[in-house]
Amino acid sequence: GENVEQHPSTLSVQEGDSAVIKCTYSDSASNYFPWYKQELGKRPQLIIDIRSNVGEKKDQRIAVTLNKTAKHFSLHITETQPEDSAVYFCAAYAGNTPLVFGKGTRLSVIA
Amino acid sequence: GEEVAQTPKHLVRGEGQKAKLYCAPIKGHSYVFWYQQVLKNEFKFLISFQNENVFDETGMPKERFSAKCLPNSPCSLEIQATKLEDSAVYFCASSQSQGGVYNEQFFGPGTRLTVL
Repeated sequence: GENVEQHPSTLSVQEGDSAVIKCTYSDSASNYFPWYKQELGKRPQLIIDIRSNVGEKKDQRIAVTLNKTAKHFSLHITETQPEDSAVYFCAAYAGNTPLVFGKGTRLSVIA
Repeated sequence: GEEVAQTPKHLVRGEGQKAKLYCAPIKGHSYVFWYQQVLKNEFKFLISFQNENVFDETGMPKERFSAKCLPNSPCSLEIQATKLEDSAVYFCASSQSQGGVYNEQFFGPGTRLTVL
């Protein structure tokens, strides 16, 4: 089955700097890769996603890149703000299978 | 409704007691998913439903866990004879469809189960 590895597990950045979180997946059939943000005590919320026919997607300060050959995808947050502090989860979906999550990255943005 | 609803918000049970959690998916969504999130933040998939039918139950510890989605009723997740390691936040999510083209899963606020 699918296995998703996520790094780093914790990340601290200065406000205004960029943050990058990386994930790898094992199942070459995976075709959809969402990123969720979970604030303390709250539900996970989708912040951006990418499908396998696209290499990059951007939404304001957030971007995701996908390298299908290497089976890895990354989340990039530019100009970080204190409200970006949260746990971020990557996930992979291979069709008719459960969404498989990475173990999460705790991002702290220091003002 | 426009959001996935889960009840109760918190549930405390003594070891060995039964726990029952409820989930109302977004109206019009035909898929429901249950996840367990333990203190280390990891999400563990438990079970999914397509309408009232079990779609995938590969994550369910079948000895003590059971789940249902009946027509015109909230979906439920039941744990018989709870154990300390069942302490976690249980999230329900719903989506419009699965299979082939993936649709976003919308998460409920979760139920925090504490087993003492």
